Amino acid sequence: QQQVKQSPQSLIVQKGGIPIINCAYENTAFDYFPWYQQFPGKGPALLIAIRPDVSEKKEGRFTISFNKSAKQFSLHIMDSQPGDSATYFCAASMSNAGKSTFGDGTTLTVKP
Amino acid sequence: DAGITQSPRHKVTETGTPVTLRCHQTENHRYMYWYRQDPGHGLRLIHYSYGVKDTDKGEVSDGYSVSRSKTEDFLLTLESATSSQTSVYFCAIRRGATYYEQYFGPGTRLTVT
Repeated sequence: QQQVKQSPQSLIVQKGGIPIINCAYENTAFDYFPWYQQFPGKGPALLIAIRPDVSEKKEGRFTISFNKSAKQFSLHIMDSQPGDSATYFCAASMSNAGKSTFGDGTTLTVKP
Repeated sequence: DAGITQSPRHKVTETGTPVTLRCHQTENHRYMYWYRQDPGHGLRLIHYSYGVKDTDKGEVSDGYSVSRSKTEDFLLTLESATSSQTSVYFCAIRRGATYYEQYFGPGTRLTVT
C-alpha cells in the first residue's frame, strides 16, 4: 500500500519554465510534508517543508502548495535552471511516529 | 553537512557472503535510518533505530539485520548477500522533534555478483 503517490515520474522543461511535481497522500494523520532534492551520486537533501495549517510556502524559487481537503501538495520551481536538474522526492510524516513515507521520485531535466 | 559518513562507499561482493555497512554520525541524534534506492522504487526503508539497542523494521527488512551499540554508529548487515540486494544504500538521521526532516549520508553502492 503506497501512502504517498508522486507524479509525474519524469519531467522535461525548458530553462525559465515552471515545472510542477504533485504528491497525494491517503493518511490524514500525516502532519508534516518535506521535499528532498537529489543530484546524481549524492544523497537526498532537504529542500523545503510545509505543515498542513499553511496553504503555501516559498523559499527562493521553490514553492510548496498544499490542499488539505484534497490531500494533495505540489512543488513548483520558478524560473527553472539547468542546475535544478535532479530527482525530487516528496515525503510525509506523523509527529508521533518515527518514520517518514516517501514518494517514488520525479526526475527533472531542465534544458538550456 | 549533517555529519554523516558511510563506509564503505563502494563494495563488490559475491552471492552468499555476509556484508556489513556502517553509518556514523557526529551530532548525537537519537533516530537513524537505513534505506535502499533502486530505479523505479524511490527510497525504501529497511530498518530504523530510535536509540541505542532500539530498532524496528521497515518495509523491506527481509534479509537484513541492524545493530546500534553506540549512539553514533548504526550498522546494516546483509546476512547472506543476494543479487537482488544490489542497490545504493543510504543512511539518514532525523533532526527535529515533533516536526522533523531527515538528513542523508552520501550512500554506499553495493554490487552482489
